[in-house]
Parts: sequence; structure tokens; C-alpha cells
Amino acid sequence: EPEVTQTPSHQVTQMGQEVILRCVPISNHLYFYWYRQILGQKVEFLVSFYNNEISEKSEIFDDQFSVERPDGSNFTLKIRSTKLEDSAMYFCASSGEQGGYTFGSGTRLTVV
Amino acid sequence: GESVGLHLPTLSVQEGDNSIINCAYSNSASDYFIWYKQESGKGPQFIIDIRSNMDKRQGQRVTVLLNKTVKHLSLQIAATQPGDSAVYFCAEKGYSSASKIIFGSGTRLSIRP
Repeated sequence: EPEVTQTPSHQVTQMGQEVILRCVPISNHLYFYWYRQILGQKVEFLVSFYNNEISEKSEIFDDQFSVERPDGSNFTLKIRSTKLEDSAMYFCASSGEQGGYTFGSGTRLTVV
Repeated sequence: GESVGLHLPTLSVQEGDNSIINCAYSNSASDYFIWYKQESGKGPQFIIDIRSNMDKRQGQRVTVLLNKTVKHLSLQIAATQPGDSAVYFCAEKGYSSASKIIFGSGTRLSIRP
């Protein structure tokens, strides 16, 4: 069964540093998403991306965040200057025209 | 506003019994609902979905019930097994392929042997 692959599985970074979280969506999917989940809380939408541009973003997705699809297979989330409160699980997801909304296993980001 | 909520944060069930996880939503215009299972260290995994033009949908060992009158959604798991231990989220999604998913707060289901 096709999977959404995320790397790394765990990232530890110092406050103020930039991090890039990487995702390989399912190959024939067209819509890409990032969500985050703070420990013990619900999964929250960050941003959706289609046709090389952001289609929707939440209020969490401020100027410190950016997304990019640098090539035909990767989809990245960059946090420019991490804060302690950015510590969370970050999930990438992708979907196709007929649905098939699939989540990756996540990257655990720990900001120290 | 956007709101999909759950009644209980935890549920403990005897192995072999049926589990019922409940969820309330506030937006009467909501028309598509999904139940997700999240095991420790993993991403949300699709279980079953239902559109607002239905009131019941069955899958393998799972049934989703939708009561639009009281804006209530439930997930029933038959003959609960140890592998069903997880956090279960109800979620709402817009109709289009590109729509975001709005998750509820989650219910942790634990299974007693």
C-alpha cells in the first residue's frame, strides 16, 4: 500500500535554529498538507499546498513557517527560528483527486 | 466556529466486548465525517467515514452512526481486540479533495484482558 514517508523520525534542535522537515507524498497525489500535534493534544491543521502554492493556512502557520516542493517528489516544512512551543509531532499528508487522504508517521520535533 | 469534540478522554473496555466512542460537532453545515485511529508513535490512520446524507455506515468490525438532529457521531467497534488499543479521533472534512481535516480531541481506548 502506498505510504507517505517522513524524515527524520525525530529531530532535536536548539531554540532559534532553523529546521527542515521532509516528506515524500504518495506519487500520484496532488494535494499536500502539514499538521502538527502537541503532546497529548489533538492534531491541528497547518497548511495545504496545491499546484506549487499554498491553498490554505491556519493562524498557527505564521511567518516563521514555510513550505516548498523543491522537486517532483519532496515536500518540506521549514521553521525559520524555532521556539520551545514548536515542539510537537509534525505530520505530512497527501491526497489525490479521488481522495486517498494519507498521513505519514510523523517527525517528532524537540526544541531545547 | 470550527468544533469537533469528544465526550470522554479515556475508555476502558473488556477484550471481546463492544466499544462505543462518541463525538459531538457544532457546525450543522458539516457534511463529511471521518474516524481516525492513532497508535503510539504513528500518524492518524483512516478507519471509516460517513457523509451527512447517511445515518449509518458499516465496515469490518466498525460502524459509524450519525445523528444530525443532535449533531452526534459515534464509532462502534465490535468484539474489541488488544490491537484496537489506540487514540480515536473524530474529524470533519470539507467536501473537496483539497479540504483540510479538523480533528476532535481524541479518546484513548484501552483494552482489559
